[in-house]
This record gives sequence, C-alpha cells and structure tokens, in this order.
Amino acid sequence: AQKVTQAQTEISVVEKEDVTLDCVYETRDTTYYLFWYKQPPSGELVFLIRRNSFDEQNEISGRYSWNFQKSTSSFNFTITASQVVDSAVYFCALRVGNQFYFGTGTSLTVIP
Amino acid sequence: DTGVSQNPRHKITKRGQNVTFRCDPISEHNRLYWYRQTLGQGPEFLTYFQNEAQLEKSRLLSDRFSAERPKGSFSTLEIQRTEQGDSAMYLCASSPPRGSQETQYFGPGTRLLVL
Repeated sequence: AQKVTQAQTEISVVEKEDVTLDCVYETRDTTYYLFWYKQPPSGELVFLIRRNSFDEQNEISGRYSWNFQKSTSSFNFTITASQVVDSAVYFCALRVGNQFYFGTGTSLTVIP
Repeated sequence: DTGVSQNPRHKITKRGQNVTFRCDPISEHNRLYWYRQTLGQGPEFLTYFQNEAQLEKSRLLSDRFSAERPKGSFSTLEIQRTEQGDSAMYLCASSPPRGSQETQYFGPGTRLLVL
C-alpha cells in the first residue's frame, strides 16, 4: 500500500527564519515520483517540484530546497528566509503508476 | 486559456439530488484526474482518464459517482442521490502526455455543499 505522512500539522515561523517541512512516504514499488504542492488561501494547488525514485540529487530553486533520501523514505522541503507570502498549506504527494497519494498537508504561517 | 477550468465553482444542493461538475483541462493535456478534498485533508484520488479512456478508479468512487470524458477533452463528474458526506471540494487536474513534464496542473475546484 502507498502512503504519505506529513507529521507536522501546523508550523509558525517569524519572517526570515528557515523552515523545513517533513514528508515520509511508503511504497513497495521501485519506480515512483514525489511531488510538493502549495495551496495558498485562494485554494488552487500549485506545483513546486517533482522527483523520480531514481534521482536522489537534491535540488535548490531560489529560497526553496528539497532533500530526497531513499534510505529514510523522506522528501523534505526547506524554505530559506521565509516570507509572509509563503504562508499556505503544503502537500507532499507520491505517484505510483497512474495514482497520486497526498499527505494531509502542513499549514505554514509566516509571521511578519 | 492557460489553465484548467472547472464549473461551477460552488454548488449547493439538497440531499438526494443529482449534481454534475465539468472540467476543461489544458488543451494539449491528454491525461485528466479527479480528486476530492475535505477540510484539513489532502486531495484523495477518485479517477483517471487517458484521452477518453477511464483507466483508474478509486475504491472511494461509489456507484453513485460516474465520470466521463467522451471526446478526450473536457470531463464531467456526476454524483447521483447526493449525501451530506459528499460535501467537499472536487478538484480536477490535467497532465501532458508522458515525458519530461510529468506533473499535474490543478483547477480551482468545485465546492459542493449538500444540505
């Protein structure tokens, strides 16, 4: 069975602090994809990043970085120097075959 | 049009009524997904189309739910004999053909309230 766990339900940080959102996944398939999505208060899910199971190279995009570790089945997301506009619910997702499995999300509040 | 569109954006109905939602994917995307999202939860997969073929259906999709994509373009999701537990946001997403840009682009959703 496939499962995505985001243990952090809510996180609050003060602007300019760094914050890491955790994601742990479960699957027995060797081929899979991992995603992070942002859902701002407006509600529309916005794609942030996709990784496949064969590519453990970490990635940095501006203030965002992702750490994929197959050994611990984790795909964590770090925001550096957080900003108020980063306030949103962030979802980690796993794709196996044609199905996507989402975590329950982490609600991030960045306090000015 | 540069994104996925969904209509209506909001729907209020009485228990027992039928409702139908429409999703228009990004034009060159041949893959289409329906999800349901309740408050405080992540999206739950309902069904997947590749062109006009419905290739995956979740066990969440009871026999009161039916989805179609007759010409491989827009899709409809119908809920018959709605129940209060059907109240949720229904999300549609589309993806291009398999390749380097494999990701989903989500629409704004249709929020359903069953009274």
